Amino acid sequence: GESVGLHLPTLSVQEGDNSIINCAYSNSASDYFIWYKQESGKGPQFIIDIRSNMDKRQGQRVTVLLNKTVKHLSLQIAATQPGDSAVYFCAENTPRNNNDMRFGAGTRLTVKP
Amino acid sequence: DAGVIQSPRHEVTEMGQEVTLRCKPISGHDYLFWYRQTMMRGLELLIYFNNNVPIDDSGMPEDRFSAKMPNASFSTLKIQPSEPRDSAVYFCASGEAGFGNTIYFGEGSWLTVV
Repeated sequence: GESVGLHLPTLSVQEGDNSIINCAYSNSASDYFIWYKQESGKGPQFIIDIRSNMDKRQGQRVTVLLNKTVKHLSLQIAATQPGDSAVYFCAENTPRNNNDMRFGAGTRLTVKP
Repeated sequence: DAGVIQSPRHEVTEMGQEVTLRCKPISGHDYLFWYRQTMMRGLELLIYFNNNVPIDDSGMPEDRFSAKMPNASFSTLKIQPSEPRDSAVYFCASGEAGFGNTIYFGEGSWLTVV
């Protein structure tokens, strides 16, 4: 029979273009958010984080935007490179849950040379 | 720092056998997490510890699963007896105490139960 699994959103971009990956989080009390990158065969790696008292934070080639009004988080990658191909997860944390991170389903980014 | 270290990296076992997965967290981290990742359910939190004490095990699927943390530098996740539906990648992660501190993942243990 046909196997059923998570249908990961996918994003395909050309090398050198900018990428925007979106995430809708679930808990309005969440106060801390992280983006992770997971390459094939590896564990999730921390990319960038943001607290709810901010709406934008920049890192090296990456920017995270937070819109608490609509519970939306985005990750922007500038000048996307083949090495950026991976699954990207957003994670949220609420103060009540201490360090308990809850992860979204992920988005698969494919960079075409 | 070597990061979170997990073993084994890959294991294939027969249904009914006991499986033990091991984790060494990053030194100084007070929190340790076990996650399971499958195509069907994505990344799920199974259990986490604070200062070696289990805090929330509501994600542990069944009594066949158990986790221990006998000291600050070692944790195990045990499945007994194992079943084919337990096939997944099991990740251990650790983090510092305090809200708003990120957690760091190991490379995972890839379990196949046949």
